[in-house]
Amino acid sequence: EAQVTQNPRYLITVTGKKLTVTCSQNMNHEYMSWYRQDPGLGLRQIYYSMNVEVTDKGDVPEGYKVSRKEKRNFPLILESPSPNQTSLYFCASSLLPDRLGSDEQFFGPGTRLTVL
Amino acid sequence: KQEVTQIPAALSVPEGENLVLNCSFTDSAIYNLQWFRQDPGKGLTSLLLIQSSQREQTSGRLNASLDKSSGRSTLYIAASQPGDSATYLCAVKANAGGTSYGKLTFGQGTILTVHP
Repeated sequence: EAQVTQNPRYLITVTGKKLTVTCSQNMNHEYMSWYRQDPGLGLRQIYYSMNVEVTDKGDVPEGYKVSRKEKRNFPLILESPSPNQTSLYFCASSLLPDRLGSDEQFFGPGTRLTVL
Repeated sequence: KQEVTQIPAALSVPEGENLVLNCSFTDSAIYNLQWFRQDPGKGLTSLLLIQSSQREQTSGRLNASLDKSSGRSTLYIAASQPGDSATYLCAVKANAGGTSYGKLTFGQGTILTVHP
């Protein structure tokens, strides 16, 4: 089944304790992205990647890091989490538009992070 | 900067009604527009994708239209059912070649309740 998976789905942590949220897709997509969703602010892009070893900042990258060492994986790293990073996080992937096939963007199930 | 607005913010209808959700965007230079459904606490499910060169897309009881020049899209739901109750999100994708390539800019969503 074609899908985007995220782990963990739920995480409660404390300020300053480094964490990684993993994201993996099995659709051979070049483009991957992380979003956060907050009440009243909607979904906002954190980082994106257009291919292996190619990453760039989205609208709200502060406090986050990403890496793209393999095409299927795009982990989100919080080196020193703070309470304002409490949010619902989504990973997404799609083909690039110049590839054959739809560039519909697929989303993972979400990771609910609470930073105390 | 692209801004996406969805009207109404919430809508409550009796089962069986046909309804229209509206989405408007400020920058008409989009690559495509995608409608999603989000159930409470869950991920995003893609409903319809309209490329910038298309006028509409249909899937079952759903029909989405796009008027790029006026910056508007509508999602029409025919014969609504209680199972259609969810938040509906509209998102536009930036054009290729720009620094925001591939990014989806989301509206705040319309919360739909269909009561029996």
